Amino acid sequence: DAGVIQSPRHEVTEMGQEVTLRCKPISGHDYLFWYRQTMMRGLELLIYFNNNVPIDDSGMPEDRFSAKMPNASFSTLKIQPSEPRDSAVYFCASSFRGINNSPLHFGNGTRLTVT
Amino acid sequence: QQQVKQSPQSLIVQKGGISIINCAYENTAFDYFPWYQQFPGKGPALLIAIRPDVSEKKEGRFTISFNKSAKQFSLHIMDSQPGDSATYFCAASKETSGSRLTFGEGTQLTVNP
Repeated sequence: DAGVIQSPRHEVTEMGQEVTLRCKPISGHDYLFWYRQTMMRGLELLIYFNNNVPIDDSGMPEDRFSAKMPNASFSTLKIQPSEPRDSAVYFCASSFRGINNSPLHFGNGTRLTVT
Repeated sequence: QQQVKQSPQSLIVQKGGISIINCAYENTAFDYFPWYQQFPGKGPALLIAIRPDVSEKKEGRFTISFNKSAKQFSLHIMDSQPGDSATYFCAASKETSGSRLTFGEGTQLTVNP
């Protein structure tokens, strides 16, 4: 099992540019989560999907952020336009039957730097 | 009422010592309390978890102690090793809220050789 795969590992972009982060969950997992980690705010849940359907997006900071899951093996998190305050490590995680039944399996993250 | 408070922010322990990290929560509806371990450059990984029907859970050198009346739980690492040096996060959730897991702020543990 390859685990949760995220790409790219690092992204440096200029303010105002569009950024797309990608995630491939573990095969068979029916929940997918996007988290953001910063020193100031720790680990924040942005959005999660169940069976490709967004369930809770209350953590999405604003309309500049959007997430999609077109199929069970792929998800994207898009920021448009990006701002310096979006600089963080973004994690994708997946689980089977939800976090109360099985652990979250995190990818190694995408470190985003917006200059 | 969704917050989970974690302390200390950082902790330095000698090899062989006991590391203790504490968490407190506010929402009495929380019913699942995991601890995650994160190494630099990696995502967090589940270490151990407890539900409020027990007061303690032990897995190897790692023990969770749970005090429901005080709304507190803690992670104890016995015989701490340099390889345990990592950031530890407590977390909490309630099954009726779906899969929203609330994390504590994290504790950076350093175990000196």
